[in-house]
Amino acid sequence: GEDVEQSLFLSVREGDSSVINCTYTDSSSTYLYWYKQEPGAGLQLLTYIFSNMDMKQDQRLTVLLNKKDKHLSLRIADTQTGDSAIYFCAESIPGGTASKLTFGTGTRLQVTL
Amino acid sequence: GAGVSQSPSNKVTEKGKDVELRCDPISGHTALYWYRQSLGQGLEFLIYFQGNSAPDKSGLPSDRFSAERTGGSVSTLTIQRTQQEDSAVYLCASSFVSQVNYGYTFGSGTRLTVV
Repeated sequence: GEDVEQSLFLSVREGDSSVINCTYTDSSSTYLYWYKQEPGAGLQLLTYIFSNMDMKQDQRLTVLLNKKDKHLSLRIADTQTGDSAIYFCAESIPGGTASKLTFGTGTRLQVTL
Repeated sequence: GAGVSQSPSNKVTEKGKDVELRCDPISGHTALYWYRQSLGQGLEFLIYFQGNSAPDKSGLPSDRFSAERTGGSVSTLTIQRTQQEDSAVYLCASSFVSQVNYGYTFGSGTRLTVV
């Protein structure tokens, strides 16, 4: 199956860490991605992780991958008001359409003062 | 161009009319994708182009939807006899196929409202 699930909403206070979670069902996923969508804009690629990695860090962003549980998370350290957006996880699956991505429903992150 | 350009950015149409949505991908990107984002929903895959051919049209919701790509560049998504349930943001993305694992580059989308 190609279902990717995320919680719909997360609220954090400015300066705290945010953790956005995602579960996927296809164990053959090769790459997993996090995209950010600001209001009225398209999706912006934030980071990606190859399926043979457990963790990837990029400045304030940390991606954790648990292949056994098919669980992906995005941690944003020192969350700022500019981080308020919808965050989508996505997976790419080999075979068929070579590069088709399957997206989750998105998690709306609200950062409060 | 520098990014993926979509036009129009907003379109309001009457039920039953046909609409055309345009996508101008990043120059040199051979792969082009159309997705649909409905209110409160994730992204729904519609169609994928490699060059001018469409190896995967599996996401087109009905035969009222069609898409073409010419010259390996601009693509148009056409919706005939629009229905209210077609209201959504239609997103286009492009990539170098060889670099697909770095993800797509998305346009800002066309917000379609069918009244």
